Amino acid sequence: SQTIHQWPATLVQPVGSPLSLECTVEGTSNPNLYWYRQAAGRGLQLLFYSVGIGQISSEVPQNLSASRPQDRQFILSSKKLLLSDSGFYLCAWTLPGQGSYNEQFFGPGTRLTVL
Amino acid sequence: AQSVTQLDSQVPVFEEAPVELRCNYSSSVSVYLFWYVQYPNQGLQLLLKYLSGSTLVKGINGFEAEFNKSQTSFHLRKPSVHISDTAEYFCAVSEMNTGFQKLVFGTGTRLLVSP
Repeated sequence: SQTIHQWPATLVQPVGSPLSLECTVEGTSNPNLYWYRQAAGRGLQLLFYSVGIGQISSEVPQNLSASRPQDRQFILSSKKLLLSDSGFYLCAWTLPGQGSYNEQFFGPGTRLTVL
Repeated sequence: AQSVTQLDSQVPVFEEAPVELRCNYSSSVSVYLFWYVQYPNQGLQLLLKYLSGSTLVKGINGFEAEFNKSQTSFHLRKPSVHISDTAEYFCAVSEMNTGFQKLVFGTGTRLLVSP
C-alpha cells in the first residue's frame, strides 16, 4: 500500500531564517506531487506541483521554492522566511496519468510558525 | 478558472441531528466535484466525489452529496451526525478532461457536533 510522510510535524522558525520541508511517498512510482498551504481561516492554496523529477510548476509567486530531486521526494524551501509564511503545509500525491478525476492522497502536514 | 464558495464557515449541530454543508462553484468548463474531510491536525481524506451519472453520490461515514448543475451546487448531507464527525469539510473542483489534476478548494466549513 502507499503511504506519504512529511517532516517535521511542527516547526518554529524566526523571520529571515531558511526553511526545508520534506515529503516522501512510498509504494508507488512516478506520482504527481503537490504542495499546499493552509492558513488560518482560509482554504487550501496550491503552491507547487510536479509531474516528474526536476519538473516543478509554481502556482503562486512568493519567496518559496520546490524541488523534486528523486521520484518520490518533494521538498519545499525558502531562503528567508516571512511572518506570512506561517501556516499548515500539506503534501499530496496522485497516480500518474490518471486524469483529473482521481483522489489526492494527503500527508499529515507540517505546522510552521514564523516568529 | 474555477472558484468554490462555502458560505458557512462554521456549523454547530447536536448529535443525531441532520446536517447540510453547502457548496457552490463557478466554472466556465465542466468540472469534477469532491468533498474532503480534515480532522484536527491531520491531512485531508476524500469523503466522496461526483464524476458523472447519478447526481446523488454516497461516500464514507454515511455522508452523501447531490450535484445540481442548474444551481452549480454540490451540498453535503448526513441524516444523523456523531460526535466523531466534528472536523473541517472542504469542497473542491477540478477541470474535466485534463491529464493532470489541479484541485480548487473552498475555504472550508467547520462542523461542530455537541452532545
